[in-house]
Amino acid sequence: DQQVKQNSPSLSVQEGRISILNCDYTNSMFDYFLWYKKYPAEGPTFLISISSIKDKNEDGRFTVFLNKSAKHLSLHIVPSQPGDSAVYFCAASYSGNTGKLIFGQGTTLQVKP
Amino acid sequence: DAGITQSPRHKVTETGTPVTLRCHQTENHRYMYWYRQDPGHGLRLIHYSYGVKDTDKGEVSDGYSVSRSKTEDFLLTLESATSSQTSVYFCAISVMQSRVGEQYFGPGTRLTVT
Repeated sequence: DQQVKQNSPSLSVQEGRISILNCDYTNSMFDYFLWYKKYPAEGPTFLISISSIKDKNEDGRFTVFLNKSAKHLSLHIVPSQPGDSAVYFCAASYSGNTGKLIFGQGTTLQVKP
Repeated sequence: DAGITQSPRHKVTETGTPVTLRCHQTENHRYMYWYRQDPGHGLRLIHYSYGVKDTDKGEVSDGYSVSRSKTEDFLLTLESATSSQTSVYFCAISVMQSRVGEQYFGPGTRLTVT
């Protein structure tokens, strides 16, 4: 039972344009969501997070949107840069879960110069 | 940089042999986690620890055991390695005081079981 799903295995965008990565979840108890970026041969690095009491969180070029009624979150990268090419994982957690994260399968983003 | 190291970084072993992977942190964080990453599955939690000698199972714990005798070290043992345990293994720590928060990952160990 995949509680967190990233249905697009890959995404290709042109440099300077917007990248939108999507994530769906099924467990309504999740109240904290995170995005990680992963380069080959490295560990995932934390990118941005959002609490369920918010519907938007921004950090520079990265914005995460949360739609609780649809159980959907998205990561917007504007403008996209070639260095953003990586695998992006969304993850979810909930209070009382000892900090355990449930990850999606990942989306590989390619930003073309 | 959360001061997390993993050793070894690469290992090839034979089916049926025991294998121990080590995670070391330098900042005395309470919560530590072991994940495996496989294509099509993202990262899946194997075991986690919420203090010295306090551990619990994750989503895919069968065939794995862990130990934490010191705050800074969290060991993952494959008791009898199988080909299905060929994977990339990541250790992580939680840096927030609350139980929900960002986790920071080590560089990973690539394990091949032949």
